[in-house]
Amino acid sequence: SAVISQKPSRDICQRGTSLTIQCQVDSQVTMMFWYRQQPGQSLTLIATANQGSEATYESGFVIDKFPISRPNLTFSTLTVSNLSPEDSSIYLCSVAHLLNTEAFFGQGTRLTVV
Amino acid sequence: GESVGLHLPTLSVQEGDNSIINCAYSNSASDYFIWYKQESGKGPQFIIDIRSNMDKRQGQRVTVLLNKTVKHLSLQIAATQPGDSAVYFCAEKGSGNTPLVFGKGTRLSVIA
Repeated sequence: SAVISQKPSRDICQRGTSLTIQCQVDSQVTMMFWYRQQPGQSLTLIATANQGSEATYESGFVIDKFPISRPNLTFSTLTVSNLSPEDSSIYLCSVAHLLNTEAFFGQGTRLTVV
Repeated sequence: GESVGLHLPTLSVQEGDNSIINCAYSNSASDYFIWYKQESGKGPQFIIDIRSNMDKRQGQRVTVLLNKTVKHLSLQIAATQPGDSAVYFCAEKGSGNTPLVFGKGTRLSVIA
């Protein structure tokens, strides 16, 4: 298993600003992912955070809006830029030790844009 | 595109009864499946997984069944308890460097 610390747990932001979410894992992991979960809905993968290189984004998500960093095997950040009310959602960090093994999740960051 | 879905969006069961949560998947190439439990205000918690070379796997009070013929996945919870109340998601993964795809979720409510 892995213990994931995600900060902040919640935030209220003004539209047009940005929020950076941090994800810290207690052990080195191969895979790190960022998901979005809109109210009452399932999880949608935003991107795979790659150590030392650009993240791999899923269809509908772009680097300018969701810049991601992963400087080492235990830490990643997701920034949600130029916020609008439509960005109000829960953002979740997920990690996996290997490609075809279970993924563990942080407790999520609840973002409200006003 | 490929998707993972669920037959029932909500499920209410009496405490002590068995619960069955169903999931249909459409990607026949998926070879790894996971069930997650998500309580309010928390991230998804891993429950149990199964690979495509198996059709059944048991954990503590939980059993996952995989029917590849009809592309159906189910989670059985024995002697359902109030603490089992949550939203349950199935997720599937194809081979290679493909992401985990989540189903829509089923809310399980346990009636005491």
